[in-house]
Amino acid sequence: AQSVTQLDSQVPVFEEAPVELRCNYSSSVSVYLFWYVQYPNQGLQLLLKYLSGSTLVKGINGFEAEFNKSQTSFHLRKPSVHISDTAEYFCAVSDIYQAGTALIFGKGTTLSVSS
Amino acid sequence: DTEVTQTPKHLVMGMTNKKSLKCEQHMGHRAMYWYKQKAKKPPELMFVYSYEKLSINESVPSRFSPECPNSSLLNLHLHALQPEDSALYLCASSQDSMQGERYFGPGTRLTVL
Repeated sequence: AQSVTQLDSQVPVFEEAPVELRCNYSSSVSVYLFWYVQYPNQGLQLLLKYLSGSTLVKGINGFEAEFNKSQTSFHLRKPSVHISDTAEYFCAVSDIYQAGTALIFGKGTTLSVSS
Repeated sequence: DTEVTQTPKHLVMGMTNKKSLKCEQHMGHRAMYWYKQKAKKPPELMFVYSYEKLSINESVPSRFSPECPNSSLLNLHLHALQPEDSALYLCASSQDSMQGERYFGPGTRLTVL
C-alpha cells in the first residue's frame, strides 16, 4: 500500500522568497505523483504531475517538482513566491496499476506568504 | 475545457431534509468521483463511478446515495444527514478509472443543522 508524508504542516515565507514543500512517499510499485493546490473556499487544482520521463516537472504558476526515485521524494519548489500563492498544497500518489481506486493524499502543507 | 462544475455552491439543510448535489463535466471523462473534505484535511474518497457504473463505495452510510444518470452527470442524494456530515463535498473526474490525474470541481459547502 502507498502512503504519502508531507513533512511540513505549515510553511511561512515572505513574498519573493524561494520555497520548497517536501513530499515523501512509500510504495512497493511504480507510481504516478501529483501536486494539487487548494485556495480558500475552492476545490483542488492540479499544479503538476509526474507520470514518466523527465524527473523535473514544470507546472502552472511557476511551480516545479523533481521526482527522486532513490529518495522516494517529490518536492515542490518555486523560486519566488507571491502573496497569491497562499493556499493549501497536497501531494498525492497513485499506483500505476490500480490508479483508479487509490489516489492517496498527504495531509497537506499550508503555505502562508506575507509581505 | 478542463472544468468540472458543481451546484449548489452552498447548502444548508436540516436533519430531516432531502437534498441533492449535482456535478457535471464535458471533458469526455468516463470516471467520476465524490469526495468529502473536512477543514484542514485532505479529501476522502466516497464513491467512484466508472463508465456510469458504481465501482467503489468506501463504506459510506446509506444516507448518502450516489447516482450517475449519464457519462457527464453525477448526483449525490442526501437524506437524514447528521451535523457531522457538514463538510465540503468535491466532485472529480478522470479520463478513466485507471488514471490517477483527477480534475476537481469547486465543491459544495454543506452545513447540516
